[in-house]
Amino acid sequence: EAQVTQNPRYLITVTGKKLTVTCSQNMNHEYMSWYRQDPGLGLRQIYYSMNVEVTDKGDVPEGYKVSRKEKRNFPLILESPSPNQTSLYFCASSTGLATGELFFGEGSRLTVL
Amino acid sequence: GENVEQHPSTLSVQEGDSAVIKCTYSDSASNYFPWYKQELGKRPQLIIDIRSNVGEKKDQRIAVTLNKTAKHFSLHITETQPEDSAVYFCAASRWGSQGNLIFGKGTKLSVKP
Repeated sequence: EAQVTQNPRYLITVTGKKLTVTCSQNMNHEYMSWYRQDPGLGLRQIYYSMNVEVTDKGDVPEGYKVSRKEKRNFPLILESPSPNQTSLYFCASSTGLATGELFFGEGSRLTVL
Repeated sequence: GENVEQHPSTLSVQEGDSAVIKCTYSDSASNYFPWYKQELGKRPQLIIDIRSNVGEKKDQRIAVTLNKTAKHFSLHITETQPEDSAVYFCAASRWGSQGNLIFGKGTKLSVKP
């Protein structure tokens, strides 16, 4: 089954404790992206990757890091989480050029205390 | 960069009525305009998209219209049903440049039986 898998789905952590949200897709997609969703603000892009070893900032990259060492994986790293990073995070992938459809993961709800 | 404005933020209609959601974009080079539907607690999913070489596209009860001169595009849902209740997001990007898919803030549609 074609899918984008995120882990963890739910996480409560404390300020400053490094965490990683993993994202994996099995569709051989070149393009992957991270979004955060906050009430009233819609979906805001954090980082994206057009291919392996190619990443770029989206609209709200501050406080986040990403890496794309393999085509299927695109982890989101919060080196020192803060309460304003409490949000619902979505990973998404697409073929990038041949089609515009983004396939989203199920989301990861992160709470930073 | 691109900016997408979406209105209204909430919309309530009676079952069977039509619903219209409107978006404007700022970047005249944008040429790809998808719409995503997000049901409560679920991931966003593509429902329809349009490219700038056409003015209208239909798929059963949903349609999207595009006015490139005015930089305006709209989602039309006819004969609404309770299962249409969801948050709808418009987005805009330059086709072939998937990195900058910019979303509107969303419209919460409620269809009352």
